[in-house]
Amino acid sequence: DIQMTQSPSSLSASVGDRVTITCRASQTISSFLNWYQQKPGKAPKFLIYDASTLQNGVPSRFSGSGSGTDFTLTISNLQPEDFATYYCQQSYSTPYTFGQGTKLEIK
Amino acid sequence: EVQLLESGGGLVQPGGSLRLSCAASGFTFSSHWMHWVRQAPGKGLVWVSRINTDGNRINYADAVEGRFTISRDNAQNTLYLQMNSLTAEDTAVYFCVRDRRGGRTAFDNWGRGAPVTVSS
Repeated sequence: DIQMTQSPSSLSASVGDRVTITCRASQTISSFLNWYQQKPGKAPKFLIYDASTLQNGVPSRFSGSGSGTDFTLTISNLQPEDFATYYCQQSYSTPYTFGQGTKLEIK
Repeated sequence: EVQLLESGGGLVQPGGSLRLSCAASGFTFSSHWMHWVRQAPGKGLVWVSRINTDGNRINYADAVEGRFTISRDNAQNTLYLQMNSLTAEDTAVYFCVRDRRGGRTAFDNWGRGAPVTVSS
């Protein structure tokens, strides 16, 4: 199975900040990497696919990059609604695996 | 509007069975692969199973292989997950998830989730 490791596990930031979350795969997954946002008690929301393509309706302050084993999610100009937990997920092969999550909290 | 509505969750004793259903609407159900993803209390997301559009290509996570069965009824726009031999480790919220069309798998729409608690 492909292991996905996110860092950091938690992150404190302020409104207006720029933050970056890293996701590393245990083997190469090309660009087959997706990102999700989850708020407490809610279902995850799909943000980015194929490492860098924004899903329709996702604000442009979200961006993704990377290929191979190393990926990043960057959120510029943090807004109050962005404070949530973020997960990466590889779609290279089954079993599809997620990172352990990065909790983004308000400083 | 895409809607995925899970039902059938609840409290079950260890060793028991439960069948989850997911009623889909707002899109052409028969055109999408579908998945189940679960989340144990306070934990991360774990992929459970997937089924193709026709129901003849199925995959499971090792943790549920041989105990869970995914199926679908395209005429009823419904996805199912039959869960047998349940253990405490199966306690989680189970999400019904749509796979986007085209390209690699991505979970583009999620239901609200069905809570399953395995306890005596």
